Amino acid sequence: QVQLVESGGGVVQPGRSLRLSCEASGFTFSTYAMHWVRQAPGKGLEWVAVISYDGDHKYFGESVKGRFTISRDNPKNTLYLQMNSLRAEDTAVYYCARAQSGGYRHPFDYWGQGTLVTVSS
Amino acid sequence: DIQLTQSPSFLSASVGDRVTITCRASQGISNYLAWYQQQPGKAPKLLIYSASTLQSGVPSRFSGSASGTEFTLTIGSLQPEDFATYYCQQLNSYLFGGGTKVEIK
Repeated sequence: QVQLVESGGGVVQPGRSLRLSCEASGFTFSTYAMHWVRQAPGKGLEWVAVISYDGDHKYFGESVKGRFTISRDNPKNTLYLQMNSLRAEDTAVYYCARAQSGGYRHPFDYWGQGTLVTVSS
Repeated sequence: DIQLTQSPSFLSASVGDRVTITCRASQGISNYLAWYQQQPGKAPKLLIYSASTLQSGVPSRFSGSASGTEFTLTIGSLQPEDFATYYCQQLNSYLFGGGTKVEIK
């Protein structure tokens, strides 16, 4: 069965960096685009970033552009989110999600359980 | 950027009620719209994609429709497990609507 397991969350000071990981299993990871989505406490969903199946194409939401980087290691079945210059408003549960297919404009058919990132001094 | 206006933001209903949630796009998005359900403390779950296609395993009481830039999620007969928050998402830029929380009347 498809499983996505995030890790790497925690408490970090403003301005510092953190890297999240998402380990995938139960499907051919290298053939699917992957996303990160976040949800601030008590708020709605916010799309963060997408990476193509081969890692060649990456797109970001406006609020994280220039600060966050998305990458993947297909042999290791792992997705990453490198978060730099963190701000209090980046505090959220971060979910990784699988696109329904390798291309774009596909919905997110599987989600991880999420990992909480708290940015606070 | 294409904006989504989801309404209502809050809905109170009873078991067995028919419920309708609307999502309006600021410009045409073809049928690139999905609906998700999120239970408290859980990850979202895909219900409908391509505006009206039911995701595998989702009960048939859920349905989606589209008319121009207005999209609708309908729950035919609300069940206890359906009390949750629902989000629409446009798939051109992956933007989510603001959410609709469905609570028990």
